[in-house]
Amino acid sequence: NAGVTQTPKFQVLKTGQSMTLQCAQDMNHEYMSWYRQDPGMGLRLIHYSVGAGITDQGEVPNGYNVSRSTTEDFPLRLLSAAPSQTSVYFCASSLRGPKLYNQPQHFGDGTRLSIL
Amino acid sequence: RKEVEQDPGPFNVPEGATVAFNCTYSNSASQSFFWYRQDCRKEPKLLMSVYSSGNEDGRFTAQLNRASQYISLLIRDSKLSDSATYLCAVSASGTYKYIFGTGTRLKVLA
Repeated sequence: NAGVTQTPKFQVLKTGQSMTLQCAQDMNHEYMSWYRQDPGMGLRLIHYSVGAGITDQGEVPNGYNVSRSTTEDFPLRLLSAAPSQTSVYFCASSLRGPKLYNQPQHFGDGTRLSIL
Repeated sequence: RKEVEQDPGPFNVPEGATVAFNCTYSNSASQSFFWYRQDCRKEPKLLMSVYSSGNEDGRFTAQLNRASQYISLLIRDSKLSDSATYLCAVSASGTYKYIFGTGTRLKVLA
């Protein structure tokens, strides 16, 4: 059971480039989310999805797009990379999501992204 | 005021010591509470959920105080391997978001 798989693990981009961070889970989880983690800022929610075909914005959505065409996959797209998007990105999933009681999230091992 | 707050630490404790962290939350509708452990340059890993009556998992004890709106994590007989950052997470009924604290750093010293 792979859990939550993120690719790539590391990426360096130039300002203005676009790219997609991949996230897949094999636990049939309804809820998936993307966070970025910066020193001293904790985990900040970028986008989340409560099921296939449904996505919504989190705390810091600007510059990022998501889609959820299947239950398993939740890719994060950087439209035009900026140095301010240099960060560690984590994808997470939970079975039914925070609306229900005791639904913890499980995290992928992260993507370290540097924008030059 | 932040929705979820933690003392950033670091808490430096000797091996074998008992240490406790608190995490305060502002939303009285919060219903689910979690403690995660995060090692340097790694992903957060679920340590334990926090139940209303309190719960224990080996050397770790989690408690919820709804009146004062905080959760706590107690670690007994600290090991060098307990050195990490401990994150709390909270979710409220009727919402679609988990809110994380910024974490408390623990260093267990030999």
